[in-house]
Amino acid sequence: QSVLTQPPSASGTPGQRVTISCSGSTSNIGGNPVSWYQQLPGTAPTLLIYSNSQRPSGVPDRISGSKSGTSASLAISGLQSEDEADYYCAAWDDSLKGVLFGGGTKLTVL
Amino acid sequence: EVQLVESGGDLVQSGGSLRLSCAASGLTFSARGMIWVRQAPGKGLEWVSYISPSGRTIYYEDSVKGRFTISRDNSKKSLFLQMNSLRAEDTAKYYCATVDGSSVNIMWFDSWGQGTLVTVSS
Repeated sequence: QSVLTQPPSASGTPGQRVTISCSGSTSNIGGNPVSWYQQLPGTAPTLLIYSNSQRPSGVPDRISGSKSGTSASLAISGLQSEDEADYYCAAWDDSLKGVLFGGGTKLTVL
Repeated sequence: EVQLVESGGDLVQSGGSLRLSCAASGLTFSARGMIWVRQAPGKGLEWVSYISPSGRTIYYEDSVKGRFTISRDNSKKSLFLQMNSLRAEDTAKYYCATVDGSSVNIMWFDSWGQGTLVTVSS
């Protein structure tokens, strides 16, 4: 039921910069802020980005978020092996009156 | 440090009921909205329900409306999810998480528990 669309996979080599997109509509991303979550294998999700581009304390500045119109992006620069994980975007949807998560993107570090 | 510990997951037959609990510590529980999120095996995250700090505002994902009930006991720093009429498609790990943000449409989830597994057999 993911109304927020993410690519199922992304990859990069150590040191590279990768971006993950999250596409929505005016009722969700277009009007409300986006957050991003990282889920390492076998663990619970953790907050990476909130309010489109804000980093919680402890998240390195090589991780950044942005939003334009009805799409958002997560960028990871200086890719490291420990970045290999699943990444999810999320936003409130005014029409559904609920939270939407993207389908998730599996990031592989080659 | 915020700690969230879920419990109550189990193997249950289709049509059965379960009550999940989430015990919180390290935060002013009564000041925080809370959510339940689930993840079916090998699948992505799916939001299930939201409850405001006072418990007066509640939202549900459409597929669980009328079957699941979210509640909280601020005096015991606990969150609950009563799950009735369970279906095979409810099989998932269920996470509780704390809500931050200024309003219901401006929220993010800053602390997560480790989850509890619900398996519904058909």
